[in-house]
Amino acid sequence: GAVVSQHPSRVICKSGTSVKIECRSLDFQATTMFWYRQFPKKSLMLMATSNEGSKATYEQGVEKDKFLINHASLTLSTLTVTSAHPEDSSFYICSARDSRGQETQYFGPGTRLLVL
Amino acid sequence: GENVEQHPSTLSVQEGDSAVIKCTYSDSASNYFPWYKQELGKRPQLIIDIRSNVGEKKDQRIAVTLNKTAKHFSLHITETQPEDSAVYFCAATPGGYSTLTFGKGTMLLVSP
Repeated sequence: GAVVSQHPSRVICKSGTSVKIECRSLDFQATTMFWYRQFPKKSLMLMATSNEGSKATYEQGVEKDKFLINHASLTLSTLTVTSAHPEDSSFYICSARDSRGQETQYFGPGTRLLVL
Repeated sequence: GENVEQHPSTLSVQEGDSAVIKCTYSDSASNYFPWYKQELGKRPQLIIDIRSNVGEKKDQRIAVTLNKTAKHFSLHITETQPEDSAVYFCAATPGGYSTLTFGKGTMLLVSP
């Protein structure tokens, strides 16, 4: 139980294009999902909290117009990196928290983005 | 907000030895403390967690202890095996709608 999927697992795109990453909770409902960015050999940096049916909450320093988040259902959140640039290249990981109230976060497998 | 410090940043042990990773937190309201294991290029996997109403929790070779007064918690791995080699992250949260604050991670290397 508590499986989170993420798609795509890796993507290469040209500078200036937009990339959409999907995060799905497969066997539970997630009112809240989280998007993290992880640099090599570094910790998880929270980018934003995605709330089903409402606007995402972004952490300080994260551009909401650059990283668009949509959480349209209880099992799906999407992160769109708009007008991607090489500095956006990173490992993006989502996590989901069970709507039944537990604090535990279950992580997706991550998406490695490379912007050329 | 919450601040979580994690030590050591790297830890090398021989197979069969014990490993201990320590974390401290700043927010006395924090009441949930998970530990995640992340292998290279993979997702963080929850290995054990503890809530503030208990002082210790054990699951086979893994245990976590919590000292609320001192605001620190530790991960203990006994009889380490090479497959325990990974990066381990501690985290803390006041719960409710609050987010997790992660430590910087500990790279554990278990040599055969």
